[in-house]
Amino acid sequence: TQLLEQSPQFLSIQEGENLTVYCNSSSVFSSLQWYRQEPGEGPVLLVTVVTGGEVKKLKRLTFQFGDARKDSSLHITAAQPGDTGLYLCAGRGYNNNDMRFGAGTRLTVKP
Amino acid sequence: NAGVMQNPRHLVRRRGQEARLRCSPMKGHSHVYWYRQLPEEGLKFMVYLQKENIIDESGMPKERFSAEFPKEGPSILRIQQVVRGDSAAYFCASSLIPGTVTDTQYFGPGTRLTVL
Repeated sequence: TQLLEQSPQFLSIQEGENLTVYCNSSSVFSSLQWYRQEPGEGPVLLVTVVTGGEVKKLKRLTFQFGDARKDSSLHITAAQPGDTGLYLCAGRGYNNNDMRFGAGTRLTVKP
Repeated sequence: NAGVMQNPRHLVRRRGQEARLRCSPMKGHSHVYWYRQLPEEGLKFMVYLQKENIIDESGMPKERFSAEFPKEGPSILRIQQVVRGDSAAYFCASSLIPGTVTDTQYFGPGTRLTVL
């Protein structure tokens, strides 16, 4: 079983602040995805990272895949209340057809 | 709306009753996944199905839970003799080409099951 640990579990910040959340595992993944889930809705894919060391940017969000493909981080610059939600990482193993999700980081951005 | 559809969105059952959750994948997708999410937690994989086949049910409780994805119609997650601990949000996802590194699972809005 590939266990994904996300930290912090909860994060509450003021609008305009920067933040980083982490997704760590002892397993190597062929790819890793980040999702955002808002209350009452299903998760929505933000990004897929595939190559070790890869960095992808999506407006104010920067995603990095660790060199060893075991971990990832999500950095948000100048957070806004609209960024509030549950951020989930999901890793895909080399031998599996399914993905395993972390427990998520619940972000609250206060205006 | 060509997205993943789930119904009902909310389901209330009394202990001992059966719950049936339905999922219609995105058009053209023949791979369906079911996940369970408890309050304040992430998603827990339950089962992966293709049309008429269960591919991986390693996350399914051994008793009372079953899933199917018939040739025609939606995928069904069935929970028999529900207990209070079954109360959760159940999400369905579908994908087009599973097993590739860039495969994307598209999620439905979920069914929120409450067992009284």
